[in-house]
Amino acid sequence: DAEITQSPRHKITETGRQVTLACHQTWNHNNMFWYRQDLGHGLRLIHYSYGVHDTNKGEVSDGYSVSRSNTEDLPLTLESAASSQTSVYFCASSELDDRGGNTIYFGEGSWLTVV
Amino acid sequence: QKEVEQDPGPLSVPEGAIVSLNCTYSNSAFQYFMWYRQYSRKGPELLMYTYSSGNKEDGRFTAQVDKSSKYISLFIRDSQPSDSATYLCAMSAYTGGFKTIFGAGTRLFVKA
Repeated sequence: DAEITQSPRHKITETGRQVTLACHQTWNHNNMFWYRQDLGHGLRLIHYSYGVHDTNKGEVSDGYSVSRSNTEDLPLTLESAASSQTSVYFCASSELDDRGGNTIYFGEGSWLTVV
Repeated sequence: QKEVEQDPGPLSVPEGAIVSLNCTYSNSAFQYFMWYRQYSRKGPELLMYTYSSGNKEDGRFTAQVDKSSKYISLFIRDSQPSDSATYLCAMSAYTGGFKTIFGAGTRLFVKA
């Protein structure tokens, strides 16, 4: 079965360190996303990609970057981790169908604590 | 005003009850509607999707969309303790690029 794999699932890091969260999907979807989910805010889009070498900023992109070198992977980098970036991060992918539907499939999440 | 409004709950019901979960939205461009279930410390899992107004049924779940009122619902019949989770509505529109918005989620507890 197709899936989205995130790693690490749990990480504790120190303020100021660079952190990379990996995401690998076997759906063969062109579209990939990173969301963060916080109490009171729901799911917020960080970055997204419509295909190889394409990246776009979402609503909460400050302090984060992504790169897309192949279809399967979209790593998320926190350039200098801050306590405000303590959150659970979800990678997701989707493919637009011929009726305009855009079903998004999620990974299991990466819990990040910045101390 | 948020584009999608969803009551966060919590909603607590006895086992066997019919559950109604709802979202309202403001953007008439939304044409594709989804419901996700999220268990604690897990990723959101797609439950149902629908393209149009009306009802769509899948087992104990029924998704209802009323585009004229900008209102969507998820009904769960014969609710079970295993249905206890957070339910998120989502909707998307294609306007040059596509845009998907999620509700904040309603937390549901089904008591045995």
